[in-house]
Amino acid sequence: EDKVVQSPLSLVVHEGDTVTLNCSYEVTNFRSLLWYKQEKKAPTFLFMLTSSGIEKKSGRLSSILDKKELFSILNITATQTGDSAVYLCAVGTGNQFYFGTGTSLTVIP
Amino acid sequence: NAGVTQTPKFRVLKTGQSMTLLCAQDMNHEYMYWYRQDPGMGLRLIHYSVGEGTTAKGEVPDGYNVSRLKKQNFLLGLESAAPSQTSVYFCASSQTGTDVNYGYTFGSGTRLTVV
Repeated sequence: EDKVVQSPLSLVVHEGDTVTLNCSYEVTNFRSLLWYKQEKKAPTFLFMLTSSGIEKKSGRLSSILDKKELFSILNITATQTGDSAVYLCAVGTGNQFYFGTGTSLTVIP
Repeated sequence: NAGVTQTPKFRVLKTGQSMTLLCAQDMNHEYMYWYRQDPGMGLRLIHYSVGEGTTAKGEVPDGYNVSRLKKQNFLLGLESAAPSQTSVYFCASSQTGTDVNYGYTFGSGTRLTVV
């Protein structure tokens, strides 16, 4: 059975902290791994990863994939209150994406 | 530039009633999906379609039916609504399944409450 597991389930940090979100997976026919940010509406796309060891970066956010150990991490540095959201990991297998349950991040001033 | 449009945005149903959720996309995408999102459960796939006239079951298809008579529309039907179907429903589309550079394009969601 294909599955995607995210940890931690929730996280509360202070502004300026650095956080690391984890996503591990067990799927057949891995094609890609995506990170989304969701703020009380539809998820918005952050990154797509297909190759091991290549870091994707966008501002304060970065992500990397390890296809040997079957996991990915999403880092957010110098967190801001606007980073408060649920972060979803999704693994693509050809026809569909399998989503994890998400990590709820709360950044307090 | 509408993208993916879901109607309605909110709905309250009584147990046993039926309804249809409409998803329309104007990007000429081949693949369309219906997900439900419940607290602590992430997004779970209900049904999907890989092209006009095709449908396939996802992870949680029971109690739902779908149709893709036109390429741009993907309908999700509840024949006899149950309280367990209270959820937020998201439609999504993509051109080539999961082989895209930006994942899905999502609709804004439909919040359904069954009382």
